[in-house]
Amino acid sequence: DAGVIQSPRHEVTEMGQEVTLRCKPISGHNSLFWYRQTMMRGLELLIYFNNNVPIDDSGMPEDRFSAKMPNASFSTLKIQPSEPRDSAVYFCASSLYTEAFFGQGTRLTVV
Amino acid sequence: QQQVKQSPQSLIVQKGGIPIINCAYENTAFDYFPWYQQFPGKGPALLIAIRPDVSEKKEGRFTISFNKSAKQFSLHIMDSQPGDSATYFCAASTRNTGKLIFGQGTTLQVKP
Repeated sequence: DAGVIQSPRHEVTEMGQEVTLRCKPISGHNSLFWYRQTMMRGLELLIYFNNNVPIDDSGMPEDRFSAKMPNASFSTLKIQPSEPRDSAVYFCASSLYTEAFFGQGTRLTVV
Repeated sequence: QQQVKQSPQSLIVQKGGIPIINCAYENTAFDYFPWYQQFPGKGPALLIAIRPDVSEKKEGRFTISFNKSAKQFSLHIMDSQPGDSATYFCAASTRNTGKLIFGQGTTLQVKP
């Protein structure tokens, strides 16, 4: 298995632009998680899905952030409009039971 | 109650030393405690995990010690090597959610 695949690996965008991050979980996994990593706040859980349904989005910082999982093999995290403080590494992870596998992350820079 | 507190923030040891990283939690509903290892530019990768029904688990040079009454757990790395230099995260979750709550991370440097 290729593991969790995220795209793009790097994204540089201007403040106010829409940003879409993509994730393909491991086939057969039923849970998907979006995390954000910064030096100041560490690894923060933004949202997680179980069987494609959003279960807990309490970590989503603001209404500018939204996430979807239209099917078992694809999820997106969208930021609109983006702000410099959104600059971070965003990770997607998937799991079947308790062991979560992480993707390589998307490094987002908002200038 | 959802927090997992990790210490120290950074750690430097000589090759062959035994670094120890500690974590504490409050939520007694947590029933799965993994440790993740992260190298620069990579995603976290599962290293070893423990459930609260055992007090210790070993996998190779890595050992988790778990103290349920104190709500603490720790990672020991035996015979540490320069290749172990990475950031280590403890985490906790409940079996029915799988939602991992991470500690702040410990940056380990193993000097040759």
